[in-house]
Amino acid sequence: AQKVTQAQTEISVVEKEDVTLDCVYETRDTTYYLFWYKQPPSGELVFLIRRNSFDEQNEISGRYSWNFQKSTSSFNFTITASQVVDSAVYFCALSGVIQGAQKLVFGQGTRLTINP
Amino acid sequence: SQTIHQWPATLVQPVGSPLSLECTVEGTSNPNLYWYRQAAGRGLQLLFYSVGIGQISSEVPQNLSASRPQDRQFILSSKKLLLSDSGFYLCAWSPRSGGNGANVLTFGAGSRLTVL
Repeated sequence: AQKVTQAQTEISVVEKEDVTLDCVYETRDTTYYLFWYKQPPSGELVFLIRRNSFDEQNEISGRYSWNFQKSTSSFNFTITASQVVDSAVYFCALSGVIQGAQKLVFGQGTRLTINP
Repeated sequence: SQTIHQWPATLVQPVGSPLSLECTVEGTSNPNLYWYRQAAGRGLQLLFYSVGIGQISSEVPQNLSASRPQDRQFILSSKKLLLSDSGFYLCAWSPRSGGNGANVLTFGAGSRLTVL
């Protein structure tokens, strides 16, 4: 069965600090996709990134970066020079296909608070 | 561009009352549709998914049901609400094409249900 673990329930840092959110996954599939979503206080989930299992290159998008390591089944997310607007709950998710539909298995989420 | 609408945004219902949450998607055809639930302080759980009109699959046994009367309309219902039905319900859509788990799910703004 597929499983995603986000061991950090809550993280609180001061603005401008760097912060890393951990994500560890389990799957028996050889091809799979990993996602990160952001859930601001408004509640809507916002897509951040998708990574397939064959591409282990790290990705950077502005202050955001992602480190995918297949050997440790991890897909960690780092925010550099954090800002108050980064405060949100962040979810890591693992995809599968079920009867033609997409099935996302989510971790429990990490609540990130950036203090001014 | 595609948009997804959910309503109502919030509702408070007594135990034993019926429920109807509605979700519609604009700007796309033949989407896959999903209902997720987020219990307080927990991750997201897939409740139902649909790959076409009248085609509903349930992921977990529960007090809820779903229907898809039109291509871009997805409804979550209950005949008699339980206290345990309280939570944040999110509708999502993904393209029909591609069966490898790569599709990005786009979520609505959510409906917060409190059962008293």
